[in-house]
Amino acid sequence: GENVEQHPSTLSVQEGDSAVIKCTYSDSASNYFPWYKQELGKRPQLIIDIRSNVGEKKDQRIAVTLNKTAKHFSLHITETQPEDSAVYFCAAINFNKFYFGSGTKLNVKP
Amino acid sequence: DAGVIQSPRHEVTEMGQEVTLRCKPISGHDYLFWYRQTMMRGLELLIYFNNNVPIDDSGMPEDRFSAKMPNASFSTLKIQPSEPRDSAVYFCASSLRRLNTGELFFGEGSRLTVL
Repeated sequence: GENVEQHPSTLSVQEGDSAVIKCTYSDSASNYFPWYKQELGKRPQLIIDIRSNVGEKKDQRIAVTLNKTAKHFSLHITETQPEDSAVYFCAAINFNKFYFGSGTKLNVKP
Repeated sequence: DAGVIQSPRHEVTEMGQEVTLRCKPISGHDYLFWYRQTMMRGLELLIYFNNNVPIDDSGMPEDRFSAKMPNASFSTLKIQPSEPRDSAVYFCASSLRRLNTGELFFGEGSRLTVL
């Protein structure tokens, strides 16, 4: 099956700085890569996704890049704000199964 | 739509007791997933259904765990007998999608504590 690795496990940034979270996957058949944000005590919610025929996608302050050759994808958050503090999960979809990374706890310091 | 609805939100039970978690997916969604979340293991897929039929239960830890989906609007995850290592947050999620596309909509989760 698929194996998704996510780094770093924790990330602390100053408000206004950028944050980057990276994931790698193992199965070249995976072709859909969503990112979920989970605030403390809440459910995971989709924030952005990218499909394998696209290299980059942006939505306001967040962007995701995908390198299919290297089998890695990244989440970029610019101008971070305290409300960005949460756990972020990447995922790779392979034959209807979502394989999640281990999560990155992002702390944005005011 | 109210989203994916799970119950109970919190459950505290003693080792050996039976636990039943319930889920109502979003109306019209044809996929339903059960996940378990712990600090150590993150989000683990336990089982998923397509059109009420279990498709992959390879993530179910052992025979103590069972899941059913008797109709399109209801699913249960049962643990019998429960053990302390089953303590976790159990999420139900649903989606409407063709192969390899689509967003997962999670419920609020059921926090299980087994003493």
